[in-house]
Amino acid sequence: GQNIDQPTEMTATEGAIVQINCTYQTSGFNGLFWYQQHAGEAPTFLSYNVLDGLEEKGRFSSFLSRSKGYSYLLLKELQMKDSASYLCAVSPTGTYKYIFGTGTRLKVLA
Amino acid sequence: DAGVIQSPRHEVTEMGQEVTLRCKPISGHDYLFWYRQTMMRGLELLIYFNNNVPIDDSGMPEDRFSAKMPNASFSTLKIQPSEPRDSAVYFCASSPSTGGETQYFGPGTRLLVL
Repeated sequence: GQNIDQPTEMTATEGAIVQINCTYQTSGFNGLFWYQQHAGEAPTFLSYNVLDGLEEKGRFSSFLSRSKGYSYLLLKELQMKDSASYLCAVSPTGTYKYIFGTGTRLKVLA
Repeated sequence: DAGVIQSPRHEVTEMGQEVTLRCKPISGHDYLFWYRQTMMRGLELLIYFNNNVPIDDSGMPEDRFSAKMPNASFSTLKIQPSEPRDSAVYFCASSPSTGGETQYFGPGTRLLVL
């Protein structure tokens, strides 16, 4: 089965860098995904890792280590609009479904 | 493209009533997913379809829940009879057949069962 763990809440200051960790236990997966969800809205895709290493997309980067069952999402130059929940999800091998973690609620303070 | 469309956006009903949620996936997407989100349990997959065929319904909580996809552009999730514990936000998502790397979510239906 799959077990995905993320911190429940984090707080950071505008302009700073924050790292949101995700650990998972799964027998195999196609890839690991990060989604952003603002309060009252739908989740939106941020990043996808299938191989070990760092994927960079502007202010956001995501890292994956398959051997360690670990991923993180790195947000640089934080802005107030980055206040949201960040969901980590894995797609088990042989399926197209996602298993989501419970999400990390990030508050960015001025 | 208009994205994934869901209706209604909000639904308030009384316990015991039937509730039907609707979803129109993005045109050309072969996969459709129904999720439920609550504070306690987070985002849970209920069922997903490929080319209108249900592939995995292991997340459907009980027989009161049913889902159909009569054609490539329409799906329904029905709860009959509804109970207060069904109160949640229900999301529909779709993805293309090219590896299903990204799922695109609709705006959700916020359901309140009194």
